Amino acid sequence: DIQLTQSPSFLSASIGDTITIICRASQGVSSYLAWYQQKPGKAPNLLIYGASILQSGVPSRFSGTGSGTEFTLTISSLQPEDFATYFCQQLNSYPWTFGQGTKVEIK
Amino acid sequence: QVQLVQSGPEVRKPGTSVKVSCKASGFIVPNSAVQWVRQARGHRLEWLGYIVVDSGNTNFAPKFRERVTFTRDMSTNTAYMELGSLESEDTAVYYCATEGTTPFDYWGQGTLVTVSS
Repeated sequence: DIQLTQSPSFLSASIGDTITIICRASQGVSSYLAWYQQKPGKAPNLLIYGASILQSGVPSRFSGTGSGTEFTLTISSLQPEDFATYFCQQLNSYPWTFGQGTKVEIK
Repeated sequence: QVQLVQSGPEVRKPGTSVKVSCKASGFIVPNSAVQWVRQARGHRLEWLGYIVVDSGNTNFAPKFRERVTFTRDMSTNTAYMELGSLESEDTAVYYCATEGTTPFDYWGQGTLVTVSS
């Protein structure tokens, strides 16, 4: 199975900050990488797919880059509603797997 | 837009099975699949597999292949996930999801399954 490791696992930031979350894959996943946001008690919400394609309706302050084994999710100018947990997921090969999550909290 | 509504919370004893439903409404992409994912407290999301609604074809994560069954009822636009030989480690929130542009565009609200003696 492809292992996905996110860093950091926990991030403290202020409103207006720009933050970057890294997702590293144990083997190449091409651009078959998605990012999700999850708030407590809610289902994950798709933000980005194909490593860099913004899902419809997602604010443009979210962006994704990368291919192969290293990917980043950047959130520019953090808003109050962005404090949540973020997961990456690879869809390059079965079984599809997820990162362990990065919790973004208010400083 | 697609809406997915899942069945309510379940409590089961170890060794038994549980069946979770996922009812879809709205525009459903032809030949789409319903994915199943679970999330145990303190653990990462875990993909169980999927069922293609039109054909009934399935794909399972190896870890679950021996004890999970996916079915669907096309007359009611409902998909089902049944997990057998339950253990305490199966206590989790189980989600269904389905396609728009990607396999995971739309998610159900989740179903908490608690396995306890």
